[in-house]
Amino acid sequence: SQQGEEDPQALSIQEGENATMNCSYKTSINNLQWYRQNSGRGLVHLILIRSNEREKHSGRLRVTLDTSKKSSSLLITASRAADTASYFCATDENNDMRFGAGTRLTVKP
Amino acid sequence: DSGVTQTPKHLITATGQRVTLRCSPRSGDLSVYWYQQSLDQGLQFLIQYYNGEERAKGNILERFSAQQFPDLHSELNLSSLELGDSALYFCASSIHSTGELFFGEGSRLTVL
Repeated sequence: SQQGEEDPQALSIQEGENATMNCSYKTSINNLQWYRQNSGRGLVHLILIRSNEREKHSGRLRVTLDTSKKSSSLLITASRAADTASYFCATDENNDMRFGAGTRLTVKP
Repeated sequence: DSGVTQTPKHLITATGQRVTLRCSPRSGDLSVYWYQQSLDQGLQFLIQYYNGEERAKGNILERFSAQQFPDLHSELNLSSLELGDSALYFCASSIHSTGELFFGEGSRLTVL
C-alpha cells in the first residue's frame, strides 16, 4: 500500500511563480524523501529530510517537515518550464520506502 | 545515469505468459526495490531485498516472485499475465535499507 499522500494531485502555474506541494503520512518516520519523475522516466532523488530536521534547502527547493502534523511540504521557487514533472514523497514508515500518488506540476512558459 | 540498469526496456507479450525482468543495482548498493507504476499512477511497492534476503513485501501478487542473487542483481518474475499487469516496472537500489533510492529507467510491460 502507498504511504505518503501528496496534495494537490495536479498543479498548474506560470513560469516564475512558486509551487508548493504537500505530503502527509500516517505513523512515525526516520526520514522523508522527495523525488521527481519526468513522464515515463525513472524517478530522481531531490532531497531527504530526517525526522529531527524541520527545514532543508537545496537550490530552489525548500522542504519542511512537521512531525506533529505528520506532514511535509516541498516548495519550488521561481519555477521554470523545465520543472514540469510529477513529484512524489516517500517515507520509511514500514522500514521500507513507499511512495504517494504524486503531484503533477505543469509550469507554463 | 543513475547506475541502475534494467532490462528489457520494453516487452510485449500475451495474456497467460510469463516474463522475467532484470535489474542490476548501482555498484556497492545492497538493497533492491521493485515498484509497479500503472499509467499515470503512483508507485506501488512490490518487494525489497537486502544483501540477498527478502526484507519487505508490499502489494505483490502471488503470480509474481522475485529474488536477489549473490552478485546482487535481481529478477522479477511475472507469470499468468493479465491485461491489468501492463505497467512500468521500476527497480531502485540503495546502500542502506531506507536511504536515497537510485532508479532505473524501468521496464515497460504491455500485455495484449
